[in-house]
Amino acid sequence: AQSVTQPDIHITVSEGASLELRCNYSYGATPYLFWYVQSPGQGLQLLLKYFSGDTLVQGIKGFEAEFKRSQSSFNLRKPSVHWSDAAEYFCAVGAQGNTPLVFGKGTRLSVIA
Amino acid sequence: DAGVIQSPRHEVTEMGQEVTLRCKPISGHNSLFWYRQTMMRGLELLIYFNNNVPIDDSGMPEDRFSAKMPNASFSTLKIQPSEPRDSAVYFCASRGAGGHTGELFFGEGSRLTVL
Repeated sequence: AQSVTQPDIHITVSEGASLELRCNYSYGATPYLFWYVQSPGQGLQLLLKYFSGDTLVQGIKGFEAEFKRSQSSFNLRKPSVHWSDAAEYFCAVGAQGNTPLVFGKGTRLSVIA
Repeated sequence: DAGVIQSPRHEVTEMGQEVTLRCKPISGHNSLFWYRQTMMRGLELLIYFNNNVPIDDSGMPEDRFSAKMPNASFSTLKIQPSEPRDSAVYFCASRGAGGHTGELFFGEGSRLTVL
């Protein structure tokens, strides 16, 4: 069965500092991997996705993530965080075909001045 | 294009009442998913449909929960009778047909409070 672990429940960073959110997955085959962001009271918005090819993927809002098969990881990064990035971030894994995504518990990001 | 549309956005009801949540997926999408979000358990899959057919409802908590998809543009999630522990945000998501890469498009959610 697929599973996703986001080890950090809450992270606080200063505005302008770099950010890395961790994600580890468990899946037997080549996974589809996703990062979503959720602002308070809103639905989930896709930041980026990986399904094949280049293991470093670029997303919206200046985010990127790197797929490392050997470490079963798909960490999300941003070189310089803005106050508007404060939100909840979810990593998800899926399989090929029309199957559901399995989500991690999320990491809440706070940004301080 | 309109996104996934859910209604109501907020529902407050009393224990024992029937609750119906509605979802309109993105036009042309052929898969629909119902998730529930709570602080304790995060995002849990309740049920999903492919081409209007329920594929996996093993995530539905109890017989009090039921879901239908009578056509490609509408789905409902019903709780009868509702209990305080059903309080959560319920999300509907849809996905397009062949050639896609797995992305789900989410609605803004229905926040349910059962008193």
